[in-house]
Amino acid sequence: GENVEQHPSTLSVQEGDSAVIKCTYSDSASNYFPWYKQELGKRPQLIIDIRSNVGEKKDQRIAVTLNKTAKHFSLHITETQPEDSAVYFCAASKGGANNLFFGTGTRLTVIP
Amino acid sequence: GAVVSQHPSWVICKSGTSVKIECRSLDFQATTMFWYRQFPKQSLMLMATSNEGSKATYEQGVEKDKFLINHASLTLSTLTVTSAHPEDSSFYICSARSPAGKNTEAFFGQGTRLTVV
Repeated sequence: GENVEQHPSTLSVQEGDSAVIKCTYSDSASNYFPWYKQELGKRPQLIIDIRSNVGEKKDQRIAVTLNKTAKHFSLHITETQPEDSAVYFCAASKGGANNLFFGTGTRLTVIP
Repeated sequence: GAVVSQHPSWVICKSGTSVKIECRSLDFQATTMFWYRQFPKQSLMLMATSNEGSKATYEQGVEKDKFLINHASLTLSTLTVTSAHPEDSSFYICSARSPAGKNTEAFFGQGTRLTVV
């Protein structure tokens, strides 16, 4: 099955700085790579996703890059704000938004 | 976006009893739903795929007799934790994919925190 690794496990940045979270996956057949933000005790919320036919996608302060050859993808958050503090999970799937295999999560803390 | 609702949000049960968790897609039909388990400060682990009208598909290492899944309608999947033990205490979350088309995002329920005492 798919194995998704995520780094770092914790990340602290100053407000206004950028944050980068990286994930690797093992199954070259994976074609869908979403990123979720989860606040304590709440459901994961999709913040951005990318499919294997695209190398980069951006939505305001959030961007995701995908390197299919190296089987890794990254989340970039610019101009971080305290409300960005949460746990972020990457995921990979072969069947679109179906069976998602999640990374281990990154706890992001934005220091005001 | 589409709405997925789970019930209950939290439950406490005695060891040896069974607990049923419901996952409903409120404004769309979902032929497939997914059940995840999340331990404190850990990631979501896919447990099984719930298929409407047929048997669920379980991930390796997940006991199908322990975690019974029923998907009797296009808007409802249930997960029953049978003969619960303290080690079954966890956060259980379901998800459903919105219908095929432009929007193929997976939407998650709010989760159910199960505590077995």
